[in-house]
Amino acid sequence: AQKVTQAQTEISVVEKEDVTLDCVYETRDTTYYLFWYKQPPSGELVFLIRRNSFDEQNEISGRYSWNFQKSTSSFNFTITASQVVDSAVYFCALSEEGDRQLTFGSGTQLTVLP
Amino acid sequence: ETGVTQTPRHLVMGMTNKKSLKCEQHLGHNAMYWYKQSAKKPLELMFVYNFKEQTENNSVPSRFSPECPNSSHLFLHLHTLQPEDSALYLCASSQGWRGGQETQYFGPGTRLLVL
Repeated sequence: AQKVTQAQTEISVVEKEDVTLDCVYETRDTTYYLFWYKQPPSGELVFLIRRNSFDEQNEISGRYSWNFQKSTSSFNFTITASQVVDSAVYFCALSEEGDRQLTFGSGTQLTVLP
Repeated sequence: ETGVTQTPRHLVMGMTNKKSLKCEQHLGHNAMYWYKQSAKKPLELMFVYNFKEQTENNSVPSRFSPECPNSSHLFLHLHTLQPEDSALYLCASSQGWRGGQETQYFGPGTRLLVL
C-alpha cells in the first residue's frame, strides 16, 4: 500500500531564511507520481508541482526547488529566502499509475515570522 | 472566474437538516472529486466522477449523496449528519481520468459544522 510521511508537523522560520520540507513515500509501483500542494489559511489547496517517477531531475521555480531522490524515496521541497506569504500548510502526495486516488501526507505547517 | 469554485464557503447545520454543497469547475475538465479534510487527519477521498459517471466511492456513509449532472458541476447532498462529519469538504477536478498522472486542481472548500 502506498504511504506518504511528512515527519515535520510544524516549522517556524524567520523571514529570508531558507527552509526544507521533508517528504518520504512508500510504493510498490515502478511508475508513480509525486505532488506538492500548498494550503493557505483560506483553505484552497494550491498545486505546486508534479513529478514522475522516471524523471529524477531536480526542479527550480523561482524561490521554490524540489529534490527528488528515488534511492531514499524522498521528495523534499525547499523555499529559499522565505517570505511571510509562504506561511501555509504544505502537503506532499503520491499516486500510482492507474490509481485515481491521491494519498496525502499529514502536512507540514510552515510559519514564516517577519 | 477562478478554476474551481465551491459554495457555500461556510455552513452550519443541525443533525436533522438537509443541505447541499456545490462545486463548479471552469477548466474544461472531465473528472471531479470530493475530499474530506478533518482536523489532524489526512485528506480522504470520498467520491470520483468521470464524465458524470461515479467511478469511486470510498465506503462513504449513505448520509452523503453525490450528484454529477454534467462534467462541470458536482454536488454533495447532506442529510442527518453527525457532529463528527464536521470538516472541510474539498472539491477537485482533473483533465482526464488516466489515474495517477492526472493533476487535480482544488477549490477553496466548504467548512461544515454539524451541531
